[in-house]
Amino acid sequence: DTAVSQTPKYLVTQMGNDKSIKCEQNLGHDTMYWYKQDSKKFLKIMFSYNNKELIINETVPNRFSPKSPDKAHLNLHINSLELGDSAVYFCASSRTDYGYTFGSGTRLTVV
Amino acid sequence: QKEVEQDPGPLSVPEGAIVSLNCTYSNSAFQYFMWYRQYSRKGPELLMYTYSSGNKEDGRFTAQVDKSSKYISLFIRDSQPSDSATYLCAMKPSGNTPLVFGKGTRLSVIA
Repeated sequence: DTAVSQTPKYLVTQMGNDKSIKCEQNLGHDTMYWYKQDSKKFLKIMFSYNNKELIINETVPNRFSPKSPDKAHLNLHINSLELGDSAVYFCASSRTDYGYTFGSGTRLTVV
Repeated sequence: QKEVEQDPGPLSVPEGAIVSLNCTYSNSAFQYFMWYRQYSRKGPELLMYTYSSGNKEDGRFTAQVDKSSKYISLFIRDSQPSDSATYLCAMKPSGNTPLVFGKGTRLSVIA
């Protein structure tokens, strides 16, 4: 039973394309997140969703748009991909003030 | 000054050594302190969770929080080659504010 699952695991695409990453959690958590991890392993928050409402939107380009159809799913859609978007994207979920459970990551390579 | 500072290492120790990993922070509102372990090409997994100041022990791992000094530590006793990973400190205020991560320390335990 995978607690937080992301698909796809790997994504290689050309500049200018639009792509989506899907995330699902079966833990009953009320908050989900998207983090970006750069080549130096630094994890930076992108978005946070609490009960389907966006509560944090850090300084992320508006080419990135999170979509949450229900509290168990948080997808990430990226328009007009750029070389600098290459990174590992992690989905996570939590209950308020508890530790996060992370997915296994989506390694995005833009060529 | 970055919100969370962590020495990136890398840190290399012989099997059986005691390992000390540290983070400092600047935001006095942080109340929840965590350590995550991340193996290569995997998602971060929660190792230790501490609320406010004090110590917490779990097997070979001890987490310490000193809020007066804005300093947290993770000690690993009798380190094993399987402990080789990147260790990330993370912290947050109470409420729906996401975790802020340190840059991670890469640890290698040599058999």
